[in-house]
Amino acid sequence: EAGVAQSPRYKIIEKRQSVAFWCNPISGHATLYWYQQILGQGPKLLIQFQNNGVVDDSQLPKDRFSAERLKGVDSTLKIQPAKLEDSAVYLCASSLRLTSESSYEQYFGPGTRLTVT
Amino acid sequence: AQSVTQLDSHVSVSEGTPVLLRCNYSSSYSPSLFWYVQHPNKGLQLLLKYTSAATLVKGINGFEAEFKKSETSFHLTKPSAHMSDAAEYFCVVTESGGSYIPTFGRGTSLIVHP
Repeated sequence: EAGVAQSPRYKIIEKRQSVAFWCNPISGHATLYWYQQILGQGPKLLIQFQNNGVVDDSQLPKDRFSAERLKGVDSTLKIQPAKLEDSAVYLCASSLRLTSESSYEQYFGPGTRLTVT
Repeated sequence: AQSVTQLDSHVSVSEGTPVLLRCNYSSSYSPSLFWYVQHPNKGLQLLLKYTSAATLVKGINGFEAEFKKSETSFHLTKPSAHMSDAAEYFCVVTESGGSYIPTFGRGTSLIVHP
């Protein structure tokens, strides 16, 4: 079974530039998550999708971050314009679905390491 | 609202000695609890999970954790540490019947000395 795919693996940009990350979840997984992990900290949930609907985006800085999952499969996360403090690893994860029977076990991709200079 | 507290930012052990990584949680609903491990420059991997079945949960690589509702704890243990266990460990809580939004702890760095 193929895992969660993310690209690019590394990205270096200057502040005020824009950047986009792509994620392809495990086939059949309805729920998709984007996390930001700053060095030395635990992952912070940015946005959670169930199919192509947003479950939670309360910690997404909406003035500069956007995310979409148009067909309920793969997803893109965009930052525009980037700030120095956006330097982090951006993790994508997926899980089967959100029901009372599921265990919400998440499968993580390798992440994209973003450096903003 | 839910939250998770990992009580130690670093734990240092000698190879062959027991490991204890502590996690306390709070949840308004029945929680699902997870431990993930992250080796340097690697992705997060699930170690074990608790989802209202047996309170003692066995995971991969000899790790286990016990769900204690009265103490709101889900501590991770291993009888004998191996050098390859050196990594960052994250405790995660998700509320069943609530918002289903996962919350990560800040992480515990496990250091294993030869």
